Amino acid sequence: DTAVSQTPKYLVTQMGNDKSIKCEQNLGHDTMYWYKQDSKKFLKIMFSYNNKELIINETVPNRFSPKSPDKAHLNLHINSLELGDSAVYFCASSQKSGETPPQHFGDGTRLSIL
Amino acid sequence: GQNIDQPTEMTATEGAIVQINCTYQTSGFNGLFWYQQHAGEAPTFLSYNVLDGLEEKGRFSSFLSRSKGYSYLLLKELQMKDSASYLCAVLDSNYQLIWGAGTKLIIKP
Repeated sequence: DTAVSQTPKYLVTQMGNDKSIKCEQNLGHDTMYWYKQDSKKFLKIMFSYNNKELIINETVPNRFSPKSPDKAHLNLHINSLELGDSAVYFCASSQKSGETPPQHFGDGTRLSIL
Repeated sequence: GQNIDQPTEMTATEGAIVQINCTYQTSGFNGLFWYQQHAGEAPTFLSYNVLDGLEEKGRFSSFLSRSKGYSYLLLKELQMKDSASYLCAVLDSNYQLIWGAGTKLIIKP
């Protein structure tokens, strides 16, 4: 069974559109994250949620909004997509925030803006 | 600012040994992670060091020196499937993971 699953795997859309990426984890972890990996391969954290509470919110544009209906899900909604949003977006989870377990990653969503 | 440095690319021969270095400057330290990422795939956890010294796990070993802000990942008996990017990441004082850009390892027959 997939531990962290995100959909879609590929997303191609036009500038100005609104899109969502879904993420689900079946590990029973308390914390979920969204990362952006750009063309230079840096992984940058965007958001994390612990028990439905936002605990990290990096300086990302407010066009990006995380939504967590429950502990097992953390979706990413993006408004008014821009060319610079093209990247791979990874969802991840860890057992507890503030401790040091390894983070489990989803397979990534490759977002391409035309 | 916070910074993690690792070489961009390395090349090694199948069956050989390779050492991938990582130096870091972060606000606080709560451990260092190494991840492997194959092209087009998600990062997968390899190792975690929080105390100085060497941690061995099969063909892979990871070393940490906190006083020097330095770690390395040692890969022995290289196999073609080890061709991947290797990411160094440090957990800072706020328990945020700070990532390096990764080292692309190319294995040649």
